[in-house]
Amino acid sequence: GAGVSQSPSNKVTEKGKDVELRCDPISGHTALYWYRQSLGQGLEFLIYFQGNSAPDKSGLPSDRFSAERTGGSVSTLTIQRTQQEDSAVYLCASTPTLGSYEQYFGPGTRLTVT
Amino acid sequence: DQQVKQNSPSLSVQEGRISILNCDYTNSMFDYFLWYKKYPAEGPTFLISISSIKDKNEDGRFTVFLNKSAKHLSLHIVPSQPGDSAVYFCAATRPHTGANSKLTFGKGITLSVRP
Repeated sequence: GAGVSQSPSNKVTEKGKDVELRCDPISGHTALYWYRQSLGQGLEFLIYFQGNSAPDKSGLPSDRFSAERTGGSVSTLTIQRTQQEDSAVYLCASTPTLGSYEQYFGPGTRLTVT
Repeated sequence: DQQVKQNSPSLSVQEGRISILNCDYTNSMFDYFLWYKKYPAEGPTFLISISSIKDKNEDGRFTVFLNKSAKHLSLHIVPSQPGDSAVYFCAATRPHTGANSKLTFGKGITLSVRP
């Protein structure tokens, strides 16, 4: 079946602009995660959605970052007033149930803030 | 404060030989560990995992060893193949508490397998 998809694959934006990154999880997966990988770093947890529960936003680096998950499926990560340090690959992952540890990742969105 | 550490940024091995990728962690609450493999321009893909109640898990050419007392795990690839060349991430997670099951990742190790 189809895997996790993300769009756009690449995004170049000017400092100060807002960007939206989209994630389509695997159909039926109840949990959805956003991570980012900055140059030379590991994957950094951002936010986690599980079913209808309140999201875990503990990884969001600032209030310029927000995310939504509509209808328990598609998720959008929004970065307002982008800064150069926001440049990274943003990865989305999903898992089928709360008890599943293995996360299935999308290809990521490479964000470059100029 | 890195809770999962992959101290060697790269490893180069000859095809057919063993690749040993190491990972250390500091948080004793971690109870499940995973290895992910990542090719350029692709997302990480799950490779193998191990629960803290075990000390070894094997899947084909891949074996993960866990030493809880040393807070150390390693991934062995035998025999190594050129297609194994990729970045390998070690990840760890705590028991499910409420809704939080996020993975904590290391920085990754770039493995190069020479033909």
